[in-house]
Amino acid sequence: QQQVKQSPQSLIVQKGGISIINCAYENTAFDYFPWYQQFPGKGPALLIAIRPDVSEKKEGRFTISFNKSAKQFSLHIMDSQPGDSATYFCAASSPRKGGATNKLIFGTGTLLAVQP
Amino acid sequence: DAGVIQSPRHEVTEMGQEVTLRCKPISGHNSLFWYRQTMMRGLELLIYFNNNVPIDDSGMPEDRFSAKMPNASFSTLKIQPSEPRDSAVYFCASSQTGFGNTGELFFGEGSRLTVL
Repeated sequence: QQQVKQSPQSLIVQKGGISIINCAYENTAFDYFPWYQQFPGKGPALLIAIRPDVSEKKEGRFTISFNKSAKQFSLHIMDSQPGDSATYFCAASSPRKGGATNKLIFGTGTLLAVQP
Repeated sequence: DAGVIQSPRHEVTEMGQEVTLRCKPISGHNSLFWYRQTMMRGLELLIYFNNNVPIDDSGMPEDRFSAKMPNASFSTLKIQPSEPRDSAVYFCASSQTGFGNTGELFFGEGSRLTVL
């Protein structure tokens, strides 16, 4: 129940195309859903995040779509660029007492390659 | 400001040897996390601390692994004795948790461990 399932494992997209990565979860207590981006040799870095009170969040070319009833959320990268080539991780966490954020459970990652 | 600092960046050791990985979190952050990344299992949470106190160590694989956080600016992850299956990239991350904070994780660049 603590797992976050991510797909696909890898993705190849042409420059200018749309990249879509999907995640699903079981734990209905999860209330925070971030996406992290990782370049080779670096640690993951927060890209965009959403809470379940909204169904969509957009930041530039990056959009999270959230379906609470289906317990699924996805990352859409519009107008994908070669510089977007990286590994993307979805994650989820549930609240702790006192408002502190609980541990993040990560998906298994999606290796995105954007071809020029 | 300096980010999360990890050392060593690379470690090659022989099976049976003790390995100590070090982490300096971002100043002012009150939560610290140790993750392990492998191709097969992705990002696994090993242990996390809040205000220097271990909160959840359920991800620590076995008794060969131990972690300490003697003060707010330093943490260690020790493996004794090391085994080839411990080969992975170990990430330390820190965050500022509590009301009004997003709990965003800031990752170090990782320590790549190879056990021969």
